[in-house]
Amino acid sequence: EVQLVESGGGLVQPGGSLRLSCAASGFTFSSYWMSWVRQAPGKGLEWVANIKQDGSEKYYVDSVKGRFTISRDNAKNSLYLQMNSLRAEDTAVYYCARAPTTVVSDFDYWGQGTLVTVSS
Amino acid sequence: EIVMTQSPATLSVSPGERATLSCRASQSVSSNLAWYQQKPGQAPRLLIYGASTRATGIPARFSGSGSGTEFTLTISSLQSEDFAVYYCQQYNNWPPLTFGQGTKVEIK
Repeated sequence: EVQLVESGGGLVQPGGSLRLSCAASGFTFSSYWMSWVRQAPGKGLEWVANIKQDGSEKYYVDSVKGRFTISRDNAKNSLYLQMNSLRAEDTAVYYCARAPTTVVSDFDYWGQGTLVTVSS
Repeated sequence: EIVMTQSPATLSVSPGERATLSCRASQSVSSNLAWYQQKPGQAPRLLIYGASTRATGIPARFSGSGSGTEFTLTISSLQSEDFAVYYCQQYNNWPPLTFGQGTKVEIK
């Protein structure tokens, strides 16, 4: 059974940092593009970043470029999101999600999400 | 960036009735479009990919159509568990991958 389990969310002050993790199981993690998608309270879905199977390609939404870094450790079946210089508008539930094929496409599996709150 | 626009924002439907949700892309996305269902407090669930292919385990009452810039998600006979928010997402031109703002299907 495919499982994605996020962790690392919490309350952080503006300008602070947080590192999210996503533990994957039930599939060959190293074969899939992975993404982070976020959802601000009461709002819609926003793609944040994705990373290729071997980590050689990474892409970001403009609003987080230079502040967030996506990474993965295929030996540990884990995906990460390092978030620096956090702003109030980064407050959201952050989901990790898998693309179902070897190319970037839709998202067939999602984690349960981890809440990040940026507030003083 | 491709902007995805969904309509209506809210759709009031009685159980057993048909629901038709629309999604428009600001430029052609070919058939590279997915639909998701999200219930309160839950992660999104993939319903449709490739504009018209149902994901594994999705009931036949859900169907997707369209290509290019105009897409439709149809729920043929609404069940109580179908009342939720629905999002479309394009993956033709990226980054960024983009979602519509969502359509809430509520009980009439």
